[in-house]
Amino acid sequence: DIQMTQSPSSLSASVGDRVTLTCRASQSVSNYLSWYQQIPGKAPRLLIYAASRLQSGVPSRFSGSGSGTDFTLTISSLQLEDFATYYCQQSYASPRTFGPGTKVEVK
Amino acid sequence: QLQLRESGPGLVKPAETLSLTCTVSGGSIITKNYYWGWIRQAPGKGLEWIGSIYHSGVTYGNPSLKSRVSMSIDTSKNQFSLRLNSLTAADTAVYYCVGDSSPIIAVPPSFDPWGQGTLVTVSS
Repeated sequence: DIQMTQSPSSLSASVGDRVTLTCRASQSVSNYLSWYQQIPGKAPRLLIYAASRLQSGVPSRFSGSGSGTDFTLTISSLQLEDFATYYCQQSYASPRTFGPGTKVEVK
Repeated sequence: QLQLRESGPGLVKPAETLSLTCTVSGGSIITKNYYWGWIRQAPGKGLEWIGSIYHSGVTYGNPSLKSRVSMSIDTSKNQFSLRLNSLTAADTAVYYCVGDSSPIIAVPPSFDPWGQGTLVTVSS
């Protein structure tokens, strides 16, 4: 199985901050990488697919980059509704696997 | 706009079989290149993909669960289902049904949309 790791596991930030989350795969997944946002008590929501493509309806302050084994999700100006847990996920090989998540908390 | 909703029991006994159904609305379950999947999340834990099914009945799943999992699809009802047998407390989780497809042609697939999730507790 392809192992996904994320760093940091949690971070504290303020509204308006620029935040960068990192995801790493144990082997190359090309651009078969998605990012999801999960607010407590809610289902995850797709933010980014194909490593850098913004899902329809997702604010443009979210962006993704990377290919191969190293990926980043950037929130350019953190908003109150962005405090959540973020998961990366690879669809390059079966089984599909998720990272353990990065929790973004209010400073 | 596609919407998914899970249904099934909230409490199941150890060693029994869990049966969950996902109803798709706002579109047809017979959509080219669209798979339908199941993902679960144990309390306070991360996300685990269980498996996915195509409208033809073709399935692919997580080897960690494959021997206990079966999936089916009912195109006449626009529903797909999950069965997980030999339950233990470790199967306690929120179970989500998801669309499993490429948002646009020729790009990698992702999971979207998601159902709201249903909590299944395995306990006697």
